[in-house]
Amino acid sequence: GAGVSQSPSNKVTEKGKDVELRCDPISGHTALYWYRQSLGQGLEFLIYFQGNSAPDKSGLPSDRFSAERTGGSVSTLTIQRTQQEDSAVYLCASRSGQVNSPLHFGNGTRLTVT
Amino acid sequence: GESVGLHLPTLSVQEGDNSIINCAYSNSASDYFIWYKQESGKGPQFIIDIRSNMDKRQGQRVTVLLNKTVKHLSLQIAATQPGDSAVYFCAENPGAGTALIFGKGTTLSVSS
Repeated sequence: GAGVSQSPSNKVTEKGKDVELRCDPISGHTALYWYRQSLGQGLEFLIYFQGNSAPDKSGLPSDRFSAERTGGSVSTLTIQRTQQEDSAVYLCASRSGQVNSPLHFGNGTRLTVT
Repeated sequence: GESVGLHLPTLSVQEGDNSIINCAYSNSASDYFIWYKQESGKGPQFIIDIRSNMDKRQGQRVTVLLNKTVKHLSLQIAATQPGDSAVYFCAENPGAGTALIFGKGTTLSVSS
């Protein structure tokens, strides 16, 4: 079946503008994650949705970052008033409800803030 | 600091050699571990996983070893091929309902 889909694949924006990044998880997966990956670095956890539970927002770096997941499927990560340090690849992953199952990642959105 | 780390940031091997990529983790409560492969411009791709009640698991050309005593994880790739060149990440699951924690990755370069 189809994997995790993210759009856009690339986004260039001016400092101070807002951006929205979209993630379509694998159908039927109940858990959805957002990670950020700076150049040559590992993956930094941002936020995690599990079913109808309140999301785990503990990784969001500032209140300029927010995310929502509508209808338990598609998710949007919003960054307000973008800064140059927000430039990174934003990766979305989904996971089935099965205990100890792997995350399946999309190819990410490369965000460049000029 | 990082909960999951790697011993070497880069590893260079010759085609046909066996590769071993190491990872140390710090959370004794972690019960599930995964290795991912990431190629340039792509998201991490699942390779193999292991639960904490096991110490070895084999896949196609890959083996994961888990030593809970010293909190060490390794990925062995047999007969390494140029297509194996990528960044490899280990990840740990500290518990149910939590996000995976990733290390910084090891870059594997395979020369012909």
